[in-house]
Amino acid sequence: GAGVSQTPSNKVTEKGKYVELRCDPISGHTALYWYRQSLGQGPEFLIYFQGTGAADDSGLPNDRFFAVRPEGSVSTLKIQRTERGDSAVYLCASSLGGKNTEAFFGQGTRLTVV
Amino acid sequence: ELKVEQNPLFLSMQEGKNYTIYCNYSTTSDRLYWYRQDPGKSLESLFVLLSNGAVKQEGRLMASLDTKARLSTLHITAAVHDLSATYFCAVDSRGGSNYKLTFGKGTLLTVNP
Repeated sequence: GAGVSQTPSNKVTEKGKYVELRCDPISGHTALYWYRQSLGQGPEFLIYFQGTGAADDSGLPNDRFFAVRPEGSVSTLKIQRTERGDSAVYLCASSLGGKNTEAFFGQGTRLTVV
Repeated sequence: ELKVEQNPLFLSMQEGKNYTIYCNYSTTSDRLYWYRQDPGKSLESLFVLLSNGAVKQEGRLMASLDTKARLSTLHITAAVHDLSATYFCAVDSRGGSNYKLTFGKGTLLTVNP
């Protein structure tokens, strides 16, 4: 596709449930990022992939959050035992990787935990 | 820990007026981004500023970077309604790796007729 695609666009789940959020990066982009944007805040870094491996997962808030990118393209962000505080917009971005390359953001998945 | 502060957080202005949004950051960086976000939409990259003294202009928006003062500005000239959006600055804290951007809280700009 032409841009970064995220699905679903909206997800409502009950507290304690498990959710998966999907990101399709721009074709050929080796770097992929997940950010979380809470209401009224700027996006906050969660995790960065270069290829298949997580190069930096220091932004993941706790061990309920996990992300994979098994074939170096599509990535899935997984959240276990969701809590109401997990409600936010989860943004994915991709880039060609390497020094000084621009990241392009998807439209995000709005997660609401009730 | 890198901190990025934007001000003002809310800006209501009339069409035709000029104004400046400020972005201060706390540690050394020579790579700063400005993004625009419309409600329910993705982040749109406006400017990438790569060095001290960099100035970029696109239409009614002009961005500049002073790395010594750790300050970037986004100047709006003769505002029009279409510029209403939230504007974020973001700083790359890893010296060009482009993978760990720290964002400000955003400036919600409303341009009134």
